[in-house]
Amino acid sequence: AQKITQTQPGMFVQEKEAVTLDCTYDTSDPSYGLFWYKQPSSGEMIFLIYQGSYDQQNATEGRYSLNFQKARKSANLVISASQLGDSAMYFCAMREGQGAQKLVFGQGTRLTINP
Amino acid sequence: DTAVSQTPKYLVTQMGNDKSIKCEQNLGHDTMYWYKQDSKKFLKIMFSYNNKELIINETVPNRFSPKSPDKAHLNLHINSLELGDSAVYFCASSLRRQAIYGYTFGSGTRLTVV
Repeated sequence: AQKITQTQPGMFVQEKEAVTLDCTYDTSDPSYGLFWYKQPSSGEMIFLIYQGSYDQQNATEGRYSLNFQKARKSANLVISASQLGDSAMYFCAMREGQGAQKLVFGQGTRLTINP
Repeated sequence: DTAVSQTPKYLVTQMGNDKSIKCEQNLGHDTMYWYKQDSKKFLKIMFSYNNKELIINETVPNRFSPKSPDKAHLNLHINSLELGDSAVYFCASSLRRQAIYGYTFGSGTRLTVV
């Protein structure tokens, strides 16, 4: 069963608009962590933001925020005021349990920012 | 200084050859990983080591053999390379007790088997 689902294979957004990238997850473990990574065309994996299952508030990092809806098991990434440099693949990932040592990734969303 | 460094960045080789990819991290992390990214960009864990001990082996063919001489290094050796092994291989590291701070990835090794 797919643990992390990203339903948007591709997104096209005008520069300066906000964009929401969807991510739903499936786990029965009460303790888990959710991550978003950016992979530009150069190929490296860049950590963007983290949300813990017990965190009361949504995580924010600069222009990135995570819309965490625990009951719906969704962890959408919101990028405000998009820039051309935001064009990349975006991956949602989950770590289950406190001692778990692996990230499980979604299929990714390719975001293209148009000028 | 590069936090997680992988060498080589590109590797082109013929079927049947044996090759190695090296990974080193200077972050003081105690856990290291190998991930494989296929042609559809899907990332899947292959192995994980904690303080030189193998803790995750995700149904990877035994042609793949990781080796961790110390907690700062995790190498990947692949025997009898096949066309299907073509992919990007990422090394990553984390601090086990602080995994909430994320996993740091290397820049990847693009392996092409011809």
